[in-house]
Amino acid sequence: QSALTQPASVSGSPGQSITISCTGTSSDVGDYKYVSWYQQHPGKAPKLIIYEVSNRPSGVPDRFSHSNSGNTASLTISGLQAEDEADYYCSSYTSSTTNWVFGGGTKLTVL
Amino acid sequence: QVQLQESGPGLVKPSQTLSLTCTVSAGSISSGRYYWSWIRQPAGKGLEWIGRIYTSGSTNYNPSLKSRVTISVDTSKDQFSLKLSSVTAADTAVYYCARTSGSYFNHWGQGTLVTVSS
Repeated sequence: QSALTQPASVSGSPGQSITISCTGTSSDVGDYKYVSWYQQHPGKAPKLIIYEVSNRPSGVPDRFSHSNSGNTASLTISGLQAEDEADYYCSSYTSSTTNWVFGGGTKLTVL
Repeated sequence: QVQLQESGPGLVKPSQTLSLTCTVSAGSISSGRYYWSWIRQPAGKGLEWIGRIYTSGSTNYNPSLKSRVTISVDTSKDQFSLKLSSVTAADTAVYYCARTSGSYFNHWGQGTLVTVSS
């Protein structure tokens, strides 16, 4: 059982928007500053797409965005494209214990 | 940009010690204020952070694995290593090394599958 809870799967059609939730506690996700998101295509290593709440690495399109509400973080992908089909993982860093926890992952299917 | 590559045995017997090395290239392991982490992923499952090391040798480990994990660094070779003792089938996973920048992992190796089996 993963420390953070994500839906197992979500789907959407090209051009639509989808949101993936990531629920934790006040000690991790609720302390929102250190949430990050990763995209993983089959057989590949995870790729950082969002870090420290709202930052995107160079090359990640602004179709990917993050929001927080209480102990739940959310990743929104707008204007879905076929190449967005992948697994997505949230992660939260807890500075007080120097530990990272991940969500169980969400499989995004682009219909 | 920096590249990471894991290496080590793909098969380890139960109760033995798993040993992996991560080689950093296109950039020195000592350049910048980065930590270097190990993360694993059992087949079809989520990610689990194992631990991290700074080039000074300072380490932090996942509390759930701390009693079995040792991470070390060799700056002269731009490498850092993982040792996981007393392995069982539950330790079968793809093991990734990653550069850690603050609270996130911004560069990853391609991963290496380690199977624990007799």
